[in-house]
Amino acid sequence: QKEVEQNSGPLSVPEGAIASLNCTYSDRGSQSFFWYRQYSGKSPELIMFIYSNGDKEDGRFTAQLNKASQYVSLLIRDSQPSDSATYLCAVRRNNNDMRFGAGTRLTVKP
Amino acid sequence: DGGITQSPKYLFRKEGQNVTLSCEQNLNHDAMYWYRQDPGQGLRLIYYSQIVNDFQKGDIAEGYSVSREKKESFPLTVTSAQKNPTAFYLCASRTGATGNTIYFGEGSWLTVV
Repeated sequence: QKEVEQNSGPLSVPEGAIASLNCTYSDRGSQSFFWYRQYSGKSPELIMFIYSNGDKEDGRFTAQLNKASQYVSLLIRDSQPSDSATYLCAVRRNNNDMRFGAGTRLTVKP
Repeated sequence: DGGITQSPKYLFRKEGQNVTLSCEQNLNHDAMYWYRQDPGQGLRLIYYSQIVNDFQKGDIAEGYSVSREKKESFPLTVTSAQKNPTAFYLCASRTGATGNTIYFGEGSWLTVV
């Protein structure tokens, strides 16, 4: 089992729709959870992080965490073509290393 | 400007040669990381360091070496023992044990010719 798992996609949504990205992790001792956006050929950019169960909202983005289910999600409201990228889920474990999923490729169609 | 500087951005290496990728940060961060990314793949952890003079192996440390002699610097050497070194290499840093914000450098593209 991989440390952090994501559906590779591609996920395609129309402009203005909600995009839903999912991630599961295997280490129950994990402390913090991150979503990054990565454009082709560029380094990842942090979108947001979450470490408490529940929802965390930042603009059009909402991160959701369920530690009992070891599940993290990212919702993007009012999706824009500029949101087309690969989204990486990352987990910081108890030993402070950071593990990443393989990423989900999102395409927002005008 | 504060940030993480990786150099060189593009590097070509002949088989059998060692090469060192530089990573410097002026963010006063304690923890630093090296990741490898292959086309269409996620990030795989090579090495990480939480304090000066200490570092730990990640999932794919074989064929790589690092040092952490200064807080600001965490160079990665890709040795000839690394059989498939062509990849995109990313350095990152994070502040303290409880800090959550992790920053990435712009990455280094290494190609073996």
